[in-house]
Amino acid sequence: GAGVSQSPSNKVTEKGKDVELRCDPISGHTALYWYRQSLGQGLEFLIYFQGNSAPDKSGLPSDRFSAERTGGSVSTLTIQRTQQEDSAVYLCASSLVSGPSIYNEQFFGPGTRLTVL
Amino acid sequence: AQKITQTQPGMFVQEKEAVTLDCTYDTSDPSYGLFWYKQPSSGEMIFLIYQGSYDQQNATEGRYSLNFQKARKSANLVISASQLGDSAMYFCAMRVRASGGSYIPTFGRGTSLIVHP
Repeated sequence: GAGVSQSPSNKVTEKGKDVELRCDPISGHTALYWYRQSLGQGLEFLIYFQGNSAPDKSGLPSDRFSAERTGGSVSTLTIQRTQQEDSAVYLCASSLVSGPSIYNEQFFGPGTRLTVL
Repeated sequence: AQKITQTQPGMFVQEKEAVTLDCTYDTSDPSYGLFWYKQPSSGEMIFLIYQGSYDQQNATEGRYSLNFQKARKSANLVISASQLGDSAMYFCAMRVRASGGSYIPTFGRGTSLIVHP
């Protein structure tokens, strides 16, 4: 399909382990966003990539969280030494470019549900 | 700082009736975009409607319309002729240029809509 894909769809891990979450944006989309959604809550912005510019990491909650985007396409969100409070759905979205207009509509992936035991 | 407020944690509506979901925003930037998303229990985020800050007319998309009152900084979503499939979480989001120059969407906490038969 041509949509945003994320893998794995579900991840169960033990406290203290590292996890990697993957996002494949829509081809040609230069902007990529990671969000976290805890149960019953809204979307919490984590990190944003725009083309070859330095990412906006202002939403990362701690230095245990990092992300990279290789070749301007696939992105990986890494959480080191996971804690139980990291349990949430991690959503990835991409848009053609970044900006306020309709042309910057975000297309979301199905999310990765992370459970830290 | 940019802010989105959705004051209704939950709303109930009778099938075939209209319902209004409230959203207020706060920004000093004259250029911004407002978006509404639907999130059914399956978890996917579905784009519904967009309103640009310079748009003269209220946006409409099928049964969805946006009651945009710029002076009041409100962008309420109106769903006409509610259907059972409209039961979901609804998120209001704003995109405006952040201090670092990037356009990071800010999401409200969401409103849970339940449509009764």
